[in-house]
Amino acid sequence: NAGVMQNPRHLVRRRGQEARLRCSPMKGHSHVYWYRQLPEEGLKFMVYLQKENIIDESGMPKERFSAEFPKEGPSILRIQQVVRGDSAAYFCASSPPSGYSKNIQYFGAGTRLSVL
Amino acid sequence: KNEVEQSPQNLTAQEGEFITINCSYSVGISALHWLQQHPGGGIVSLFMLSSGKKKHGRLIATINIQEKHSSLHITASHPRDSAVYICAVTNYGGSQGNLIFGKGTKLSVKP
Repeated sequence: NAGVMQNPRHLVRRRGQEARLRCSPMKGHSHVYWYRQLPEEGLKFMVYLQKENIIDESGMPKERFSAEFPKEGPSILRIQQVVRGDSAAYFCASSPPSGYSKNIQYFGAGTRLSVL
Repeated sequence: KNEVEQSPQNLTAQEGEFITINCSYSVGISALHWLQQHPGGGIVSLFMLSSGKKKHGRLIATINIQEKHSSLHITASHPRDSAVYICAVTNYGGSQGNLIFGKGTKLSVKP
C-alpha cells in the first residue's frame, strides 16, 4: 500500500515559468490537502480538495495559484509565472473519506521548488 | 501573536532523557495533531487527539481542553528521535483540512 506520492521531489524553474506539482493520495483516500513551507517558516494551509471539488481554498494566494483533483489521476497544484518568493517546500496530504480516521492526514515527502 | 505557540523552539537532550514539548493554542479546536518532520523533510503524523491522552511506543501526547494546552512526551530518548516536532490544530468550525501549525520544536538528542 503505497503512501502519498508527490512528484517531482525537486523542481527548478526560472522566473515567469509555470510549475506543476503532482500528488497521488493513498489508495482509498478521497481528500487531498496542500500545504506550503517557506524557508525558515512553519507550514501553512493552502487548499483542501475532494474529487472534482474544492472544499476550502482560503489559504491559496489570489493570483497565479490553482489546484485541482480530477476524477481520474493525481491532484495538481499549479503555479503560473513563478517568482522567487514561491520558492518553498510544498507538501500534499491525504485522508480517508469517512470515520474517525478522516481527520488523520498522511503526508507526502514534499516537492521542493526553487525559482531562479 | 500566533494562534499556535510551541515551546521550546530548540531542545538538546542526552540519550535516555525524558523530553517534553509544549503547545498552547488560542482558538477553539476540534482536534490537535502532533507531527514529526525528519531532517530530510518528510512529515509523519504522530497523534491526533481531542481529549485526554494517547500513547504510542515511547511517545505520549496529552491535551487539556480547558487550558488549551497539549504536551508531547518522549521517554528514553534516542538520537533517532532527532527531528522537528510540530503541533497543529483543526480550528473548530473550519474545514478538516485547514490546519493551523505551530513553528515547530527542533529536537536534537546526543548519544
